[in-house]
Amino acid sequence: GNSVTQMEGPVTLSEEAFLTINCTYTATGYPSLFWYVQYPGEGLQLLLKATKADDKGSNKGFEATYRKETTSFHLEKGSVQVSDSAVYFCALGKSGGGADGLTFGKGTHLIIQP
Amino acid sequence: NAGVTQTPKFQVLKTGQSMTLQCAQDMNHEYMSWYRQDPGMGLRLIHYSVGAGITDQGEVPNGYNVSRSTTEDFPLRLLSAAPSQTSVYFCASSLAGGITDTQYFGPGTRLTVL
Repeated sequence: GNSVTQMEGPVTLSEEAFLTINCTYTATGYPSLFWYVQYPGEGLQLLLKATKADDKGSNKGFEATYRKETTSFHLEKGSVQVSDSAVYFCALGKSGGGADGLTFGKGTHLIIQP
Repeated sequence: NAGVTQTPKFQVLKTGQSMTLQCAQDMNHEYMSWYRQDPGMGLRLIHYSVGAGITDQGEVPNGYNVSRSTTEDFPLRLLSAAPSQTSVYFCASSLAGGITDTQYFGPGTRLTVL
């Protein structure tokens, strides 16, 4: 079946540091890939997505590239801010049709210190 | 638009009690779903619906019932609460449930079963 693996953390960085959160997946076919972010006390919201191989999703300074050859979708940001502190979830949408939701990784707790 | 709304925000139940978690969306989305979030587990799909009158089971459906009588509402019923159902519950919706669709999440309901 489908699965998503990501580093759980917590990951603690200083402000303006470079961020990478690794995400790898197992799936058949050609899934869509997503990064969702959950700020404290809130629900999840979409950060970025990519729907086919070699696509790059980007938003708010974050980027991730859909790498089919390495089955990866790593999240990166060049200079993090305290306001980026949150839990980040990598997720995939099943390929081949069907509407049975997303498969999520366990989430990475990111803490940015001033 | 209010987006996806959930009530209540917090709930404490005793083992064996029943209750209904409410979810509503005002975006005319066909697809709605319920997830539970547990520490170290990410989000897991409980039930989903691809339209009014149509529901199906997700990864962890036992102990929960759903119905979808209108496009807007998708309540989740706990028939006889158990401590293992202590969790944070998120409702989500998307336009059509396709693999590329963005899912919009509610703010969550934190449920404790004693």
